[in-house]
Amino acid sequence: DAGVIQSPRHEVTEMGQEVTLRCKPISGHDYLFWYRQTMMRGLELLIYFNNNVPIDDSGMPEDRFSAKMPNASFSTLKIQPSEPRDSAVYFCASSLVRDSPLHFGNGTRLTVT
Amino acid sequence: GQQVMQIPQYQHVQEGEDFTTYCNSSTTLSNIQWYKQRPGGHPVFLIQLVKSGEVKKQKRLTFQFGEAKKNSSLHITATQTTDVGTYFCAGPGGGADGLTFGKGTHLIIQP
Repeated sequence: DAGVIQSPRHEVTEMGQEVTLRCKPISGHDYLFWYRQTMMRGLELLIYFNNNVPIDDSGMPEDRFSAKMPNASFSTLKIQPSEPRDSAVYFCASSLVRDSPLHFGNGTRLTVT
Repeated sequence: GQQVMQIPQYQHVQEGEDFTTYCNSSTTLSNIQWYKQRPGGHPVFLIQLVKSGEVKKQKRLTFQFGEAKKNSSLHITATQTTDVGTYFCAGPGGGADGLTFGKGTHLIIQP
């Protein structure tokens, strides 16, 4: 298996622009997670899905953030409009079942100027 | 909500010295997981501990889960330059399925 695939690897955008991050989980994994990593706050769970259904989005910082999982092999995290404080590395991870190990993608490094 | 604390935040060691990082949870955990993140990389799963008092070894790495299932440790014997990175512990969030990660311990090795 190719593992969790994220795109793009790097994204540089101007404040106010819309940003879309993409993720393809490992085939057969029931859970998909979006995490954000910054030096100050570490790894923060933003939202997760179970069988394509959003279960807990309490970590999503603001209404500017939204996530979808239209099918078992694809998820998006959208920020609209983006702000400089959104600059971070965004990781997507998937797991087989509840409490099983997370498999992380390579992440998307987002810079908002 | 649940908090997972890790100490120390940074650890500098000479190559060949031992290294230990400690993890404490504000709540009892059903299991605890450890991950390693190399500089510029992504977290990679190392191990999962489930039982109270459990000890597991992976070559030079020894993982422990406390009797009360609220704390854990990772010990590396005779560090090597390949051990450089950040080590995270993570536990299930209260009532949720996502993992709550500690802030990590950054291991810096001086040759």
